[in-house]
Amino acid sequence: QVQLVESGGGVVQPGRSLRLSCAASGFTFSSAAMHWVRQAPGKGLEWVAVISYDGTKRYYVDSVKGRFSISRDDSKNTLYVQMNSLRAEDTAVYYCARYSGTYGFDYWGQGTLVTVSS
Amino acid sequence: AIQLTQSPSSLSASVGDRVTITCRASQGIGSALAWYQQKPGKPPKLLIYDASSLQSGVPSSFSGSGSGTKFTLTISSLQPEDFATYYCQQFTGSPYTFGQGTKLDIK
Repeated sequence: QVQLVESGGGVVQPGRSLRLSCAASGFTFSSAAMHWVRQAPGKGLEWVAVISYDGTKRYYVDSVKGRFSISRDDSKNTLYVQMNSLRAEDTAVYYCARYSGTYGFDYWGQGTLVTVSS
Repeated sequence: AIQLTQSPSSLSASVGDRVTITCRASQGIGSALAWYQQKPGKPPKLLIYDASSLQSGVPSSFSGSGSGTKFTLTISSLQPEDFATYYCQQFTGSPYTFGQGTKLDIK
């Protein structure tokens, strides 16, 4: 069965960096566009970034452009997001999600919490 | 960026009620819209994709309709497990924005 498992979250000071990982299994990872979505405590969902199935296209929400970098390693079936210059407003649960190909995210991980605090 | 506005933001209803949630896009998006259900502490669950297609395994009490700028999610007969927060999301291009959410709770 399809599984997405995030890791790498934790408490980090403002201005520092963190890298999140999303280990995928149960499907052909190299064929899927993958996304990161975050949710601040008590708030709604915010789309963060996408990487195309072949890694050639990457897009970001304006609030993280220049600070976050999405990548993938198909040999390891793993999605990443490198988060630099972290701010308090980046505090959230970060989910990875698979794009279904037909206008929807059909599988989501359980999320990993990132807390940016001094 | 395309903005999605859901209404209402919150809704109280009873088991067995029929409820409708609306999602309006700031510009036309064709049918490039999904609906999700999220329960506390859990990731979202895809209910409807391509505006009106029911995701596998989702009860037929859920339905989606609309195109262009106005979309609706309808639950024909509320069950206890349907009380949750619902989000729409558009897929015309980056940023793939979500609506602000509609919290459905028990009256």
